[in-house]
Amino acid sequence: DAGVTQSPTHLIKTRGQQVTLRCSPISGHKSVSWYQQVLGQGPQFIFQYYEKEERGRGNFPDRFSARQFPNYSSELNVNALLLGDSALYLCASSFGTKRGYTFGSGTRLTVV
Amino acid sequence: GQQLNQSPQSMFIQEGEDVSMNCTSSSIFNTWLWYKQDPGEGPVLLIALYKAGELTSNGRLTAQFGITRKDSFLNISASIPSDVGIYFCAGSRDNDMRFGAGTRLTVKP
Repeated sequence: DAGVTQSPTHLIKTRGQQVTLRCSPISGHKSVSWYQQVLGQGPQFIFQYYEKEERGRGNFPDRFSARQFPNYSSELNVNALLLGDSALYLCASSFGTKRGYTFGSGTRLTVV
Repeated sequence: GQQLNQSPQSMFIQEGEDVSMNCTSSSIFNTWLWYKQDPGEGPVLLIALYKAGELTSNGRLTAQFGITRKDSFLNISASIPSDVGIYFCAGSRDNDMRFGAGTRLTVKP
């Protein structure tokens, strides 16, 4: 069975640009969450989506947005990139919203 | 910022020793989870705990959900070199999951 897949694996962007990260959940999983992990820290919660609706939002600015599609895949968009947005962005999926999540390998975003 | 206090930050142990790490919070969580992360990979779920007081094992790993719902611990028995990595606790409440800062485990052969 395919796990959670994320694309691209690595990305380099310039300050002020916009980026879109993609995530395909495990087949049958309806909940997708996004996390930002800065080097040396634990993942920080950004968004949770369940059945295509936003169910939770972390303490991130409005430059961060996301959506979930009918096939339960998801995109994370970040506008007006800052140097501080450089991080590993992790997507995780789960069957419901209350169970353990399975993580993808992440997208390493570098903003220069 | 992190809402969970995870300790210790790092551990250096000999192969075969037992390991214990814990996580505390000022907030109540409905679910506690323990993950392990290797370099360049996403966190991998080790154990999930869903009820206060629950004690769950997964091979050499044992974890408990504290009675107060504000803490959890993870024990690893008879450590082996492949146990090396960063271990994260995570607490889940409502529709988000909060992570600790991690415990970096080094196992010396």
